[in-house]
Amino acid sequence: NAGVTQTPKFRVLKTGQSMTLLCAQDMNHEYMYWYRQDPGMGLRLIHYSVGEGTTAKGEVPDGYNVSRLKKQNFLLGLESAAPSQTSVYFCASSSPSGGNTGELFFGEGSRLTVL
Amino acid sequence: SQQGEEDPQALSIQEGENATMNCSYKTSINNLQWYRQNSGRGLVHLILIRSNEREKHSGRLRVTLDTSKKSSSLLITASRAADTASYFCARRTDPLFGNEKLTFGTGTRLTIIP
Repeated sequence: NAGVTQTPKFRVLKTGQSMTLLCAQDMNHEYMYWYRQDPGMGLRLIHYSVGEGTTAKGEVPDGYNVSRLKKQNFLLGLESAAPSQTSVYFCASSSPSGGNTGELFFGEGSRLTVL
Repeated sequence: SQQGEEDPQALSIQEGENATMNCSYKTSINNLQWYRQNSGRGLVHLILIRSNEREKHSGRLRVTLDTSKKSSSLLITASRAADTASYFCARRTDPLFGNEKLTFGTGTRLTIIP
């Protein structure tokens, strides 16, 4: 199994450009998440989804949109990129916590630079 | 804002020594999880401790939880060079969603000196 796969792994954007990060998981997990990681800030939750067709805001949702049209995919979009969105983005997935540890499985990250 | 912090922020020890990292949090938890992140990689789950547990072991890892002090510690015994990584604690902050929404701290960067 591939686990959680993120594409692209690296991307450089100019301010105002748009892009989409794709996350795919092959573990049939219900829940998926997008985090960003910045130096000294740890991981901060951007958006998450508890099932196909559902999304919810996390801690830092402004400037991002998400979609979960298929259970295995979770897309993170930047409509108009800003330098403050320069970061490493991590996707994660998990099963529902009931009867389960609820541990998160992470992708390898997508490094985004906005000039 | 972060729901707690790990300390120390950085820790360097000699190979073979024990490493202890601490995590404090502010709100009630259902469970607390520890993750490891090697440089340039994603996070990997290490161990989970539930709120009704006080201590848990997994190989060279020992986790304790003190809910009265809202703190947890991760002990790595007999450290190895391969343990060099950042370590994060994560806790559930929204009781409506079980483990589905985890809040991470800023992490402890551990360096093992051969």
